Amino acid sequence: KAGVTQTPRYLIKTRGQQVTLSCSPISGHRSVSWYQQTPGQGLQFLFEYFSETQRNKGNFPGRFSGRQFSNSRSEMNVSTLELGDSALYLCASSLGRGNDEQFFGPGTRLTVL
Amino acid sequence: QKEVEQDPGPLSVPEGAIVSLNCTYSNSAFQYFMWYRQYSRKGPELLMYTYSSGNKEDGRFTAQVDKSSKYISLFIRDSQPSDSATYLCATNSGGSNYKLTFGKGTLLTVNP
Repeated sequence: KAGVTQTPRYLIKTRGQQVTLSCSPISGHRSVSWYQQTPGQGLQFLFEYFSETQRNKGNFPGRFSGRQFSNSRSEMNVSTLELGDSALYLCASSLGRGNDEQFFGPGTRLTVL
Repeated sequence: QKEVEQDPGPLSVPEGAIVSLNCTYSNSAFQYFMWYRQYSRKGPELLMYTYSSGNKEDGRFTAQVDKSSKYISLFIRDSQPSDSATYLCATNSGGSNYKLTFGKGTLLTVNP
């Protein structure tokens, strides 16, 4: 069974630009969660989507948004990039039935210059 | 106070040693507890997933949860150089709440 895939793996952007990251969950999984990982703050929850609806949300500004498609693939968008947005962005896939494990993808490393 | 506290290490042990990794948490609503292993430049890999208090064993790994003291542990027996990685504890309240709250991670090096 294929794991979670994320594209692209690496991105370099400049301040003020916007970026879109993509995540394809494990086949049959309907929940996708997004996390930001930085050396200073560790792993922080951004949001979770299930059946194309945002079900849970973390404490990030509105510049961070996401969506989920009918095939469970998800995208997250960051607008008006800031230097502090440089991080590893991880998505996690789960069945979405409640109380089930989350499996992470390899991440997208975003560098903002 | 952070919701999940984890000693960042680094921790260095000789091959074959027993390793103990620990986290404490503050939120009594947390019911599910996980340990992830993350190699450099990779995504976290789920090692152990437990519910409430008690022990769970999987090969060389044992996860222990003590809800009365809000303390979670991961023990690695017969540690190998391939165990060298960052270990992250995580927890959530379960149900349809998929937000995982993570510790900062402990960097472990197992020396041959």
